[in-house]
Amino acid sequence: TQLLEQSPQFLSIQEGENLTVYCNSSSVFSSLQWYRQEPGEGPVLLVTVVTGGEVKKLKRLTFQFGDARKDSSLHITAAQPGDTGLYLCAGSTGTASKLTFGTGTRLQVTL
Amino acid sequence: KAGVTQTPRYLIKTRGQQVTLSCSPISGHRSVSWYQQTPGQGLQFLFEYFSETQRNKGNFPGRFSGRQFSNSRSEMNVSTLELGDSALYLCASSLDPTGGQGYTFGSGTRLTVV
Repeated sequence: TQLLEQSPQFLSIQEGENLTVYCNSSSVFSSLQWYRQEPGEGPVLLVTVVTGGEVKKLKRLTFQFGDARKDSSLHITAAQPGDTGLYLCAGSTGTASKLTFGTGTRLQVTL
Repeated sequence: KAGVTQTPRYLIKTRGQQVTLSCSPISGHRSVSWYQQTPGQGLQFLFEYFSETQRNKGNFPGRFSGRQFSNSRSEMNVSTLELGDSALYLCASSLDPTGGQGYTFGSGTRLTVV
C-alpha cells in the first residue's frame, strides 16, 4: 500500500513568515502533484513535478521533487492570508490513473 | 471554459437509502475519477473511468458503484447507505489518460447520512 505522509499536520503563522511543508513516502512515484483546498471546495492543482530533483516555482511557492522521487517539499516565502488552506500532495504512478493523497497540511496565515 | 460540475452540492439521506451523484467533466476530458473525503481518512480513491470503462477501483465495498456515459459524464451510486458514508464526494477529470499531469476537481457533493 502506498502512503504519503505530510508534515506538519497543522501550521499557524503570521503574515510575512516563511514555511516548508514536507511530503514523504517509501514508494516511488512517476509524478507528484500539489493541491490547495479551501473549505467547501474541491482541491485546486498548484503544480506537477515529474523529474527527480526537479524544482518549480510559482510566484512565492517553490516545489521540489526528491532525487529518488519518493518525497517532495513545498516552501512558501513571505506567507499571506490568501495562502490559508489545506495543502495536499498526491502521487501518481503514471500507469494506475489514480492518485494517492497525502495526509494534508492545514495552513493558517494571520495578519 | 467550464470546469468540472457536480450535482447536487448537498444531500441528506437516511440510512438504508441509496443515492446517485452526478459529474460533468471538462469538455474533452475522458478520464473521470471519484474520491471520498472525510476528516478521519482524508481523500481516498473510489474509481476511475475512461471511455465508459472502469479502469481502476479503490478499496470500497460493492455498495459503491459508478458508470460513465458516452459523453464522458459520470455517475456514482451508493446503495444501502450507512452513517459512515457521510463525506464530501469529489469528482475529477483529466485530459491526460494517466492522470500524471494533474486533475481538475469539482466542488464536490456533501452527503450527510442520518
